[in-house]
Amino acid sequence: QVQLQESGPGLVKPSETLSLTCSVSGGSISSNYWSWIRQPPGKGLEWIGCISDSGKPNYSPSLKSRVAISVDTSMNHFSLTLRSVTAADTAVYYCARYPAGLRWLDHWGQGALVTVSS
Amino acid sequence: DIQMTQSPSSLSASVGDRVTITCRASQGIGNSLAWYQQKPGKAPNLLLYDASRLESGVPSRFSGSGSGTDYALTISSLRPEDSATYYCQQYYSVPLTFGAGTKVEIK
Repeated sequence: QVQLQESGPGLVKPSETLSLTCSVSGGSISSNYWSWIRQPPGKGLEWIGCISDSGKPNYSPSLKSRVAISVDTSMNHFSLTLRSVTAADTAVYYCARYPAGLRWLDHWGQGALVTVSS
Repeated sequence: DIQMTQSPSSLSASVGDRVTITCRASQGIGNSLAWYQQKPGKAPNLLLYDASRLESGVPSRFSGSGSGTDYALTISSLRPEDSATYYCQQYYSVPLTFGAGTKVEIK
């Protein structure tokens, strides 16, 4: 059974960089696509982007100038970097897996709350 | 970007009721639609994909239908554990987009 676990700082200062890692167990990160999704408190889900099994990223146009997603196959994890954060980036950040190409998401991490505040 | 419009935004129904949530895409998405259930403090859980295919382990009271731009999620007989927020998501084109959610409450 594939399991995903987000990790990283829960508090980031405005204008600084948010960094999260998603550790994957029970399966190889070298197969499937992987994604980051976020959810501001009390709001809906927003797709941030994804990375393919070949390491090619794809980003939401609204975040493309600030975001990077990378994969480390030796550690079986993938990462999210979001630069120049503001309070609007405060959210629960989820990592998730696509079981069959860039389509639906069948396994999700538990989520990591990141608060942007000085 | 493809916009996904869900309705209603919330509903209240009794145990045993038939409940339908709709999702309209801003353009045709060729059945490239998934539905998720999210309970408070938890990650979303996949219910259906390809508009009508039930994910393994999901109760058969959940079903999906639709085509083109209009899709629906139906719960045939509402149970207390179905109290949650439901989201649709299109994967016809990038960026993948979600509906705003429908909160289902039990009367």
